[in-house]
Amino acid sequence: GNSVTQMEGPVTLSEEAFLTINCTYTATGYPSLFWYVQYPGEGLQLLLKATKADDKGSNKGFEATYRKETTSFHLEKGSVQVSDSAVYFCALLRSNDYKLSFGAGTTVTVRA
Amino acid sequence: KAGVTQTPRYLIKTRGQQVTLSCSPISGHRSVSWYQQTPGQGLQFLFEYFSETQRNKGNFPGRFSGRQFSNSRSEMNVSTLELGDSALYLCASSLEGMTNEQFFGPGTRLTVL
Repeated sequence: GNSVTQMEGPVTLSEEAFLTINCTYTATGYPSLFWYVQYPGEGLQLLLKATKADDKGSNKGFEATYRKETTSFHLEKGSVQVSDSAVYFCALLRSNDYKLSFGAGTTVTVRA
Repeated sequence: KAGVTQTPRYLIKTRGQQVTLSCSPISGHRSVSWYQQTPGQGLQFLFEYFSETQRNKGNFPGRFSGRQFSNSRSEMNVSTLELGDSALYLCASSLEGMTNEQFFGPGTRLTVL
């Protein structure tokens, strides 16, 4: 079936550290891939997306590349800030029935 | 432009009761989707409504139902509540459907005692 697996947290980093959150997927067809972020007490916000293989999504210093050969969509940021503390969700939009499937979420805490 | 609003923000019910949650999408958005978020199961898709019709449905029992009104506002109903229904229920709206960017509301926190 279609599913998303992302690295378990929590992840704790110091400011200016490099962040990577791994995300791999299984899917039939050609799904679109997303990263959403959820700040404390808020709903989800779309962080970035990629709709086809080799696309790179980027926003707010975060990047992720749609790698079909490794079925991955890892999220990276070169220098995190305290304000990046949040829960990050990798998600997949199935191309056959347009259902959105989410990973379990990774809690990231950035310390000053 | 106002974001997606959900009411109420918090709700406490007892087992066996029913509950109705409301979602007002961003003006001009015609698609509304609902999700359940729990620590154990994560985020799971419930259903999507477009032009007052359910267009897509996740794997939830029939106790979970919804509807959409002509102004695109949507309600979700859960009947015969169970303890396991305690969750954050998120609503998302988009222009035309799931291929468009989803804008999420802050959620309704339902606690079933």
